[in-house]
Amino acid sequence: SAVISQKPSRDICQRGTSLTIQCQVDSQVTMMFWYRQQPGQSLTLIATANQGSEATYESGFVIDKFPISRPNLTFSTLTVSNMSPEDSSIYLCSVEKDSFYEQYFGPGTRLTVT
Amino acid sequence: GENVEQHPSTLSVQEGDSAVIKCTYSDSASNYFPWYKQELGKRPQLIIDIRSNVGEKKDQRIAVTLNKTAKHFSLHITETQPEDSAVYFCAASPGKLIFGQGTTLQVKP
Repeated sequence: SAVISQKPSRDICQRGTSLTIQCQVDSQVTMMFWYRQQPGQSLTLIATANQGSEATYESGFVIDKFPISRPNLTFSTLTVSNMSPEDSSIYLCSVEKDSFYEQYFGPGTRLTVT
Repeated sequence: GENVEQHPSTLSVQEGDSAVIKCTYSDSASNYFPWYKQELGKRPQLIIDIRSNVGEKKDQRIAVTLNKTAKHFSLHITETQPEDSAVYFCAASPGKLIFGQGTTLQVKP
């Protein structure tokens, strides 16, 4: 597996502001992903963070709302823009290191929008 | 696209009993099926997975079976313990992970 950290671990933000979440891995990984987990719900893939190119977004998620960067093979950021209370959720990054499709999750960022 | 259905949504068993959670998937291109355990306030942890070229896989008290023809796979936990209490998620991957809705397992001592 890999050691994955996320910052911040939690935050309370005001409506209309933006928050950038960081995901750091202790070794180079092939794939990095961002998920959302709403309270008491399952995990939904937001996008695949591609190193050196634009992220690949899933249906229902757009770049203007969730811009993603991946400058290298160990780091990625997800920004939640122009937040509303509906964005209150846990945001998790995951990585696929070297096993085909095997993903490991970061600890998550708990976001509350007031 | 892929759709994963998971049942039951809640499961309560007595310590020492077995627990079975079932998932069905829709996309025949899916070829990887992991199971995650998520304790309250923690990250999902990969506990076992199976690939489409295998019918069954076991790891101590945990086993997973896959029926590709019927497009369903199951998680079996034997000799359950209170520390097995958690939410369990199945997923299917036709190239990206699509998760089931989750099963809350309660093991009563």
